Amino acid sequence: AQSVSQHNHHVILSEAASLELGCNYSYGGTVNLFWYVQYPGQHLQLLLKYFSGDPLVKGIKGFEAEFIKSKFSFNLRKPSVQWSDTAEYFCAVIPTSGTYKYIFGTGTRLKVLA
Amino acid sequence: DAGVIQSPRHEVTEMGQEVTLRCKPISGHNSLFWYRQTMMRGLELLIYFNNNVPIDDSGMPEDRFSAKMPNASFSTLKIQPSEPRDSAVYFCASSFSNIQYFGAGTRLSVL
Repeated sequence: AQSVSQHNHHVILSEAASLELGCNYSYGGTVNLFWYVQYPGQHLQLLLKYFSGDPLVKGIKGFEAEFIKSKFSFNLRKPSVQWSDTAEYFCAVIPTSGTYKYIFGTGTRLKVLA
Repeated sequence: DAGVIQSPRHEVTEMGQEVTLRCKPISGHNSLFWYRQTMMRGLELLIYFNNNVPIDDSGMPEDRFSAKMPNASFSTLKIQPSEPRDSAVYFCASSFSNIQYFGAGTRLSVL
């Protein structure tokens, strides 16, 4: 079955530390990939997406993600986190054909200490 | 565009009452999704529509839940009768070209 794994459930970092959140998916075909962010008490917002082309994609607020097809991974990175990055981060995958449904990971809660 | 609009933002009701959540998708989007989010179960897809037609309702927890999309600009999620375990945040999302945009959610508390 298709699935998305986010191995880090909780991450605590100090401000200015570098961030990498892992995302792996299981699906043999072509996919579109997404990272969403949910700030406390708010809705999910699109952070970045990958459809095709350059596997290194840049999103809002200094985030980037790299798609490594051979590893079925789409890890999220930020070189220097800020207190305002405290949020929950969700990775999502959708096959490019046959469905409109995202497969979401379970989310990673990031807490940035000021 | 104002984005995906959900109403009400908060709903407090008593067990056994009927609850109706509403969603207005972004104009031009052809798919609409209802999600439920709780601390225990995380984010769950309940049902989604494409071109106003329900495509997959396998996430609807039981017959007490129903959803409709009578036209491209409106959808409802109804719970009848409501139970305390239905307390959650319910999100609606609409999509075009595989990108989903979420509404602000309805926080439902069933007492």
